[in-house]
Amino acid sequence: ILNVEQSPQSLHVQEGDSTNFTCSFPSSNFYALHWYRWETAKSPEALFVMTLNGDEKKKGRISATLNTKEGYSYLYIKGSQPEDSATYLCAFPSGGYQKVTFGIGTKLQVIP
Amino acid sequence: KAGVTQTPRYLIKTRGQQVTLSCSPISGHRSVSWYQQTPGQGLQFLFEYFSETQRNKGNFPGRFSGRQFSNSRSEMNVSTLELGDSALYLCASSFTRVGTDTQYFGPGTRLTVL
Repeated sequence: ILNVEQSPQSLHVQEGDSTNFTCSFPSSNFYALHWYRWETAKSPEALFVMTLNGDEKKKGRISATLNTKEGYSYLYIKGSQPEDSATYLCAFPSGGYQKVTFGIGTKLQVIP
Repeated sequence: KAGVTQTPRYLIKTRGQQVTLSCSPISGHRSVSWYQQTPGQGLQFLFEYFSETQRNKGNFPGRFSGRQFSNSRSEMNVSTLELGDSALYLCASSFTRVGTDTQYFGPGTRLTVL
């Protein structure tokens, strides 16, 4: 059973604050790491797929970094807005295929 | 392009019954995966189908089964329902089986077992 851990499990920030959270995963046999955003009453939506050590991806105010040697990825949100409130999931496909282990997620609430 | 669709959206069953859930992937996507989410748990991988064959299976009992049709639509079946099977069941499709390929999720089926 693969261990994909996310921390913290929940987070409350004020509008305008920047925040970050962590996903840790097995560093051996790394193939890819995905980040998803899951808003209440919607479907999980893909944010990033990261494949190379040192990868940095950015989409608007959200960015992510990857360290495959030590087995972690950070997701950063700059200047949080209420619409950023969601659960952020990381996902680790094992064996290079779509047998995916998800972390439990970080639930972010941005307070106006 | 239409997204992933799942039917039904809500379902209420009683213990011992069986249930079939359906998933239609995005057109052209050939890989369909199923996940279960229960309160306090992350998304738990059930199985993945590609080209009508189950390619990967998660750690669930044999009561959980599925199939995929030639048009890539997939069904998931749970027999002899237990209270603990109450959950949100999500399916996700991707173009290929490769782990770098993004999965696109459906809205889910909320199953309640009484």
